[in-house]
Amino acid sequence: DTGVSQDPRHKITKRGQNVTFRCDPISEHNRLYWYRQTLGQGPEFLTYFQNEAQLEKSRLLSDRFSAERPKGSFSTLEIQRTEQGDSAMYLCASSPTATAGKLFFGSGTQLSVL
Amino acid sequence: EDKVVQSPLSLVVHEGDTVTLNCSYEVTNFRSLLWYKQEKKAPTFLFMLTSSGIEKKSGRLSSILDKKELFSILNITATQTGDSAVYLCANTQNAGNMLTFGGGTRLMVKP
Repeated sequence: DTGVSQDPRHKITKRGQNVTFRCDPISEHNRLYWYRQTLGQGPEFLTYFQNEAQLEKSRLLSDRFSAERPKGSFSTLEIQRTEQGDSAMYLCASSPTATAGKLFFGSGTQLSVL
Repeated sequence: EDKVVQSPLSLVVHEGDTVTLNCSYEVTNFRSLLWYKQEKKAPTFLFMLTSSGIEKKSGRLSSILDKKELFSILNITATQTGDSAVYLCANTQNAGNMLTFGGGTRLMVKP
């Protein structure tokens, strides 16, 4: 499978715990995006990378959220001190440099915070 | 703040019907308008529209953009049960990197 892959598919955690999600983009894509989707809503942009550089992070929901892409390949999204309101689907997407919005999405990580 | 509004919220039709989904938007720096289909988890790309009045077509699906009135429509003719999904509309800002999505239209096609 050469698409965008995300791990884990599901994560259940207790409030206050830290969680980390991984995304492996399509190999030749140098842009990687993170979105969050809650039930009945469209995806909401969080952050994106061009290679290893994080070019936009002002939309991360709080300072509890952070993302990395250390070698310009896979990326991780970490949420510290999780809250019930963090429960959502976290989607990763990738694209070549200049596609004006045509993204390739992974199947997401469904987070449930108890 | 950029905004994308889709209507209707949901729609139930029978196989063979034709449907029209609507998307209106407000954006500071328009670059493109996109349609995605989300069946279970991963949204998949359908169309990208950048110019007014030029219809994009793929099989039974087609879409058109009106940049003056700030809206787009997605048409699906001869619907099939496999068309059942959430259809998402989004626009890109000037840099083309951050998509602003609408809330989606949930389409159910009954046999």
